Amino acid sequence: GNSVTQMEGPVTLSEEAFLTINCTYTATGYPSLFWYVQYPGEGLQLLLKATKADDKGSNKGFEATYRKETTSFHLEKGSVQVSDSAVYFCALSEPLGDDKIIFGKGTRLHILP
Amino acid sequence: DTAVSQTPKYLVTQMGNDKSIKCEQNLGHDTMYWYKQDSKKFLKIMFSYNNKELIINETVPNRFSPKSPDKAHLNLHINSLELGDSAVYFCASSQDRQSYNEQFFGPGTRLTVL
Repeated sequence: GNSVTQMEGPVTLSEEAFLTINCTYTATGYPSLFWYVQYPGEGLQLLLKATKADDKGSNKGFEATYRKETTSFHLEKGSVQVSDSAVYFCALSEPLGDDKIIFGKGTRLHILP
Repeated sequence: DTAVSQTPKYLVTQMGNDKSIKCEQNLGHDTMYWYKQDSKKFLKIMFSYNNKELIINETVPNRFSPKSPDKAHLNLHINSLELGDSAVYFCASSQDRQSYNEQFFGPGTRLTVL
């Protein structure tokens, strides 16, 4: 079945550090890939997405590239801020599948001032 | 204007009680969802409705019963609450049932069963 594996947290970085959160997936067909972010005490919100191979999603300084050859969708940011502290979820959906999104287990990110 | 709203935000109750959580979206979306998030932040889909029709029903105890009176509302009723039901429950909506669409989440309802 379809699945998403992302690095376990928590990840702790200093402000202005470079961030990578790894995400790999297993899927049949050609899934769409997402990163959702959950700030403390809130629901999830879409951060970025990519719908086909080699697409790059970007938002708020975050980027992720859909790599079909390595089945990966790693999240990166060049210089993190304290306000980026949150839980990040990698997810996939498969068009024409069973209408649901498969979420990874989430990676908690702490940014120290 | 809140896009997806849930009530109540917090719910503390005794084992064995019956409780309901309400969800409303004002985005004009066709599809709504209920998710359960455990203490480790693991997010699991429970149900999905499209235009008031149930389309996803994961392996959830039949103590949980969703109800969609119209496409803007999706409520969750839980009978005979158990300790293991303690979690944060999120409602979400999307434009339609296509899973590549963005899902918009509510703020969550933290349920604590004592």
